[in-house]
Amino acid sequence: SQQGEEDPQALSIQEGENATMNCSYKTSINNLQWYRQNSGRGLVHLILIRSNEREKHSGRLRVTLDTSKKSSSLLITASRAADTASYFCATVQTGANNLFFGTGTRLTVIP
Amino acid sequence: NAGVMQNPRHLVRRRGQEARLRCSPMKGHSHVYWYRQLPEEGLKFMVYLQKENIIDESGMPKERFSAEFPKEGPSILRIQQVVRGDSAAYFCASSSDRGETQYFGPGTRLLVL
Repeated sequence: SQQGEEDPQALSIQEGENATMNCSYKTSINNLQWYRQNSGRGLVHLILIRSNEREKHSGRLRVTLDTSKKSSSLLITASRAADTASYFCATVQTGANNLFFGTGTRLTVIP
Repeated sequence: NAGVMQNPRHLVRRRGQEARLRCSPMKGHSHVYWYRQLPEEGLKFMVYLQKENIIDESGMPKERFSAEFPKEGPSILRIQQVVRGDSAAYFCASSSDRGETQYFGPGTRLLVL
């Protein structure tokens, strides 16, 4: 499969704690993007990191990319109940046009 | 700046009928992508279009499915003679250029009875 894999599949934490989700992929990429999806809703773009970047921040989000290991991580600091959602990583592979999505991590933040 | 718009949000069809899903990209975006999401799964790419052209349809089933993005008007994903296995959420995304951030619409949830 060309799609990425995320782990864990599900994560449950207390409000205020940090949440870390990991994503692995198989081929060379142009960029990697993280999306959030609330149950039954559309996807919200969170952050894009290019293949020549190693780390990127956006508010409470921190994304890292290790192209040698073909992996990325998403860290959400000081989590809130509103962060409860499924989080997907998606890659734009070199020479491709579309996003290849991982299987997602279901994050539950307990108030 | 309105986001990506899709309609209808929910569509119910009986087996054998046709389903037409519409997508209006963000203003200024000329690249449109369609994805399908089955329950409890990630999204899977179907087709990538630019105005009046299909660029990549490698994820599209060979039969019954077609897509277009005319010079004027929304992109249309058409499913003929729907079967129960077509029941899914269909998402459209748009971008300003190839490989750039894709912004997603709210999706159309198709239910085939």
